Amino acid sequence: AQSVAQPEDQVNVAEGNPLTVKCTYSVSGNPYLFWYVQYPNRGLQFLLKYITGDNLVKGSYGFEAEFNKSQTSFHLKKPSALVSDSALYFCAVILRHNFNKFYFGSGTKLNVKP
Amino acid sequence: DVKVTQSSRYLVKRTGEKVFLECVQDMDHENMFWYRQDPGLGLRLIYFSYDVKMKEKGDIPEGYSVSREKKERFSLILESASTNQTSMYLCASRGTGTGLSNTGELFFGEGSRLTVL
Repeated sequence: AQSVAQPEDQVNVAEGNPLTVKCTYSVSGNPYLFWYVQYPNRGLQFLLKYITGDNLVKGSYGFEAEFNKSQTSFHLKKPSALVSDSALYFCAVILRHNFNKFYFGSGTKLNVKP
Repeated sequence: DVKVTQSSRYLVKRTGEKVFLECVQDMDHENMFWYRQDPGLGLRLIYFSYDVKMKEKGDIPEGYSVSREKKERFSLILESASTNQTSMYLCASRGTGTGLSNTGELFFGEGSRLTVL
């Protein structure tokens, strides 16, 4: 069975410090990987994706993510956190033979304290 | 800018009522989706549609139906609402294609928070 794990329900970080939100996946086949962000009472917004090529991808709002095939991970990172980054973050995976089947992680709540 | 619009942000209904959740996208996307979001459970797919009048069940279709009469509109219907359907409902769309020109990201609406009393 395909699955996506976000091992931390919550991540706390001080403003200005680097942040990491973890994501690992277990799928058969070659995945496309995504990160989405959700602010309170809003829909999900696309942040970035990995399709192919360079393992480090850059996205919106200064976020980046590193695809690690051997560790089947796709951790989200930012060098310097902002209070406004506080939100719920979702990792998602699709497989290249079925673009309509998204596998979502359970979400990680990021709290950035001033 | 791409836009997915959900007609109702907040609804309160009574048990047994029929509930319609409407979603409209302006991107000419072929594929539309309804997800349900509950704390700790992430997003679960209820139904999706890959073309007008076409639909497929997702992971939790029980108690729901859908309608897609026009390409831009995808409706979720709760025939007889129950308290366990209290949730946040998210509509999404994506275009068709499997090449690098369309790499699959979903575009989401703002969500409809339904409370069933």
